[in-house]
Amino acid sequence: DQQVKQNSPSLSVQEGRISILNCDYTNSMFDYFLWYKKYPAEGPTFLISISSIKDKNEDGRFTVFLNKSAKHLSLHIVPSQPGDSAVYFCAAGSMSGSARQLTFGSGTQLTVLP
Amino acid sequence: DGGITQSPKYLFRKEGQNVTLSCEQNLNHDAMYWYRQDPGQGLRLIYYSQIVNDFQKGDIAEGYSVSREKKESFPLTVTSAQKNPTAFYLCASSPGTKETQYFGPGTRLLVL
Repeated sequence: DQQVKQNSPSLSVQEGRISILNCDYTNSMFDYFLWYKKYPAEGPTFLISISSIKDKNEDGRFTVFLNKSAKHLSLHIVPSQPGDSAVYFCAAGSMSGSARQLTFGSGTQLTVLP
Repeated sequence: DGGITQSPKYLFRKEGQNVTLSCEQNLNHDAMYWYRQDPGQGLRLIYYSQIVNDFQKGDIAEGYSVSREKKESFPLTVTSAQKNPTAFYLCASSPGTKETQYFGPGTRLLVL
């Protein structure tokens, strides 16, 4: 049972336009969400996070939106650049309990076309 | 330069052989993690450690073992009991277990 789902395996966007990557979750205990970017044969790089007390967090070209009632989050990249081409993973965790394990989605391959 | 290092980058395992993947961090992080990534799938947690001399099983611990004798080191052994070991293995660390995890470059394990 996938608790974190990224339903789009791939997305292509023109350079300079907005990229929107989506993520859905099913576990109501999740209260902390992260986005990671991964290039082939490298480890994921942390991009941005959001806790459930917020509905938006912005860092430069990257903005994450959280809709708790829909159990949905999205990552917006504006403007998109060719160097943004990578696999993007969303991850979710819970601050309750003794340890926070992250549950990852299956990833979305973003291709930014020049 | 602070960071997480994993070695080797590529590792080949023969049938019935145990192999050990190295993970070292100089970030002074308390928590360390091992994940496995298969094609088209997300990262799945194998083991994690909150402090030295303590570790917990993740979602797919069968066929793997770990140790945490030093704060900076968290080696993963893939035993012969792991029947499908071919994957990309990622080590991560975080200051505490409720904080953002940072990843190493990964080790690709292939079975001969």
